[in-house]
Amino acid sequence: SQWGEENLQALSIQEGEDVTMNCSYKTYTTVVQWYRQKSGKGPAQLILIRSNEREKRSGRLRATLDTSSQSSSLSITGTLATDTAVYFCATSSGSFNKLTFGAGTRLAVCP
Amino acid sequence: GPKVLQIPSHQIIDMGQMVTLNCDPVSNHLYFYWYKQILGQQMEFLVNFYNGKVMEKSKLFKDQFSVERPDGSYFTLKIQPTALEDSAVYFCASSLVGGNERLFFGHGTKLSVL
Repeated sequence: SQWGEENLQALSIQEGEDVTMNCSYKTYTTVVQWYRQKSGKGPAQLILIRSNEREKRSGRLRATLDTSSQSSSLSITGTLATDTAVYFCATSSGSFNKLTFGAGTRLAVCP
Repeated sequence: GPKVLQIPSHQIIDMGQMVTLNCDPVSNHLYFYWYKQILGQQMEFLVNFYNGKVMEKSKLFKDQFSVERPDGSYFTLKIQPTALEDSAVYFCASSLVGGNERLFFGHGTKLSVL
């Protein structure tokens, strides 16, 4: 598998708290993408970070990428109940955008 | 934003029957994908498709599976014959370009093989 962590992780927090989700990957990649999947829906991209970027921000989101340790993180500040979802990191390989997803983190934000 | 539509949202069929899952990708996108997700598990790549051809496929893309996009209409995934282990949610996705860019996903078709 491309990913180091194979099990779906679960986190439960209170609204307003900050949260950080981590993933590690085994094979070389130039890009890590983070997707969010809400119940009954398809994944939606949140943020894309390239290997020449150590950090990327978008609103309440912050992604980091450490190519030396082959790991990435996604932080959400001031969580809302609507952030409840499964969060996946994904790497891509080849010329035709084959995305490989990690096992994901199930985040529950309680109001 | 751009939307990928999948029809139907749920399909129930008997084992051994044929099923076709339909996807209407974002209109100007050129690359198309199918992913499989068993309940509570991660998304697994099946196949990608560009310029009328399969570019890459995974081990999950069995011989019983086929994809096509005739005349720029729906991008379809056909399974013939179906097996019990084909029960899953199938997600279609599309992208404007290949190579490490954003995929737009549909809401999925839940396939139940009885």
